[in-house]
Amino acid sequence: AAGVIQSPRHLIKEKRETATLKCYPIPRHDTVYWYQQGPGQDPQFLISFYEKMQSDKGSIPDRFSAQQFSDYHSELNMSSLELGDSALYFCASSLFKRDYGYTFGSGTRLTVV
Amino acid sequence: AQSVTQLDSQVPVFEEAPVELRCNYSSSVSVYLFWYVQYPNQGLQLLLKYLSGSTLVKGINGFEAEFNKSQTSFHLRKPSVHISDTAEYFCAVSVPTGGGNKLTFGTGTQLKVEL
Repeated sequence: AAGVIQSPRHLIKEKRETATLKCYPIPRHDTVYWYQQGPGQDPQFLISFYEKMQSDKGSIPDRFSAQQFSDYHSELNMSSLELGDSALYFCASSLFKRDYGYTFGSGTRLTVV
Repeated sequence: AQSVTQLDSQVPVFEEAPVELRCNYSSSVSVYLFWYVQYPNQGLQLLLKYLSGSTLVKGINGFEAEFNKSQTSFHLRKPSVHISDTAEYFCAVSVPTGGGNKLTFGTGTQLKVEL
C-alpha cells in the first residue's frame, strides 16, 4: 500500500539558509500533519492542514511556514536556519475526523551546520 | 492541556520474556490513546490505538494495551518479545477537536531485547 512520501531524506544546510521539505500524503487523504523530532526527543507537533487550509498550529517558529497544495501535497519552508533546527521532520496524513491513528513518513533529517 | 508520561526511559528484557511499557496520561476531557514504535532512522509506525469501547486493544506484532480510566493509564504489553522488537516506543494522546487530530507524545521508552 502507498505510504506517506517525504523528500528529501537528508538535507544539510548552513546557518541562515533556507530549506524546503516536501510531503506527499497517502492518496485520497485530505489532512497533513508536520512534526519535529530533535535528537533523543519525542516528536513535537508543528502544524496541520485540512483541505488546503491550516487546521491547527503547534510550536512552529515564525521562521517556518507551510502550506498544502491543490494536489494535497504539503511543503514546510524554513528560513534563517539555526543550529537548533537540526532534527528529523516527519509528515503524516489522514482522513479528517475519520482516521484517528495515522502512520508517518520516513522523515527528512535536516542538519544545520 | 493533555500530557503523557512514560515512566521508563529504558527497559531491558531477555528474548521470549514478557514486557510491559508504562504510560500515564493527564487530561480533563476524554482522550484517544496511541502507541507508536520507531526503529532506528525510521518513521513512526502505529502499533495500536484506543478510541472507545473495549478497554483491551490488540495491535500489530503481538502487542496489546489496556486502557484504565481510573488510573489514567494505557500500558503496552507483549507476552513474549523478540530481538526484532528492539526499538523506541512512544505513547501518545490526542483530544478530538475541530482542528483535527494532533498528537502529544511521551518522551519514549527504549526497549532493548537481549539474547
